[in-house]
Amino acid sequence: TQLLEQSPQFLSIQEGENLTVYCNSSSVFSSLQWYRQEPGEGPVLLVTVVTGGEVKKLKRLTFQFGDARKDSSLHITAAQPGDTGLYLCAGAKDRWMNRDDKIIFGKGTRLHILP
Amino acid sequence: DARVTQTPRDKVTEMGQEVTMRCQPILGHNTVFWYRQTMMQGLELLAYFRNRAPLDDSGMPKDRFSAEMPDATLATLKIQPSEPRDSAVYFCASGLRGLAGLTDTQYFGPGTRLTVL
Repeated sequence: TQLLEQSPQFLSIQEGENLTVYCNSSSVFSSLQWYRQEPGEGPVLLVTVVTGGEVKKLKRLTFQFGDARKDSSLHITAAQPGDTGLYLCAGAKDRWMNRDDKIIFGKGTRLHILP
Repeated sequence: DARVTQTPRDKVTEMGQEVTMRCQPILGHNTVFWYRQTMMQGLELLAYFRNRAPLDDSGMPKDRFSAEMPDATLATLKIQPSEPRDSAVYFCASGLRGLAGLTDTQYFGPGTRLTVL
């Protein structure tokens, strides 16, 4: 069973601070996605990374895929209350597999930004 | 603005009753997923369909859960009989898998919060 471990489970910080959350696995993934989920809603895709070492930026959010494609990180600069939510990483095993390349989700990091 | 819709949004039922949850995927999407989310287990894949055919339902308890797609605009998840341990939020998601086989972008519905007493 491929597991995606996310850390920390919970994080509460002050507005304006920087933070990094992690997504780790012992397995290699062909791609990795980050989602944000707000209370009462479904997860919403933020980014997909597919190349080892890839870095993508989305405003104040920076996503990195590890060189070995086993881990990923999400860094938020100058966190704002609107960043509050559950951040989920999800990995796909083999993007060229033609059938059962289902995506596996981590349990998430619950982030709370204090105003 | 195309969205996945799910009904009902909330369902409270008693143990032993049948529960049916419905999902309308985004028009044109060929892949539909059913997930269950709890605090303890996180988001678990129950089943998924491509072009209405079931590809994987290994995440579902077979004796009580069933998932179907009677047509391209409707996916259903049934629990019969329901048990208190089934209490969770159930999400449907849809996506479009092209010929290149790239990772699906999944668009999630708002979920059905199920409470089994």
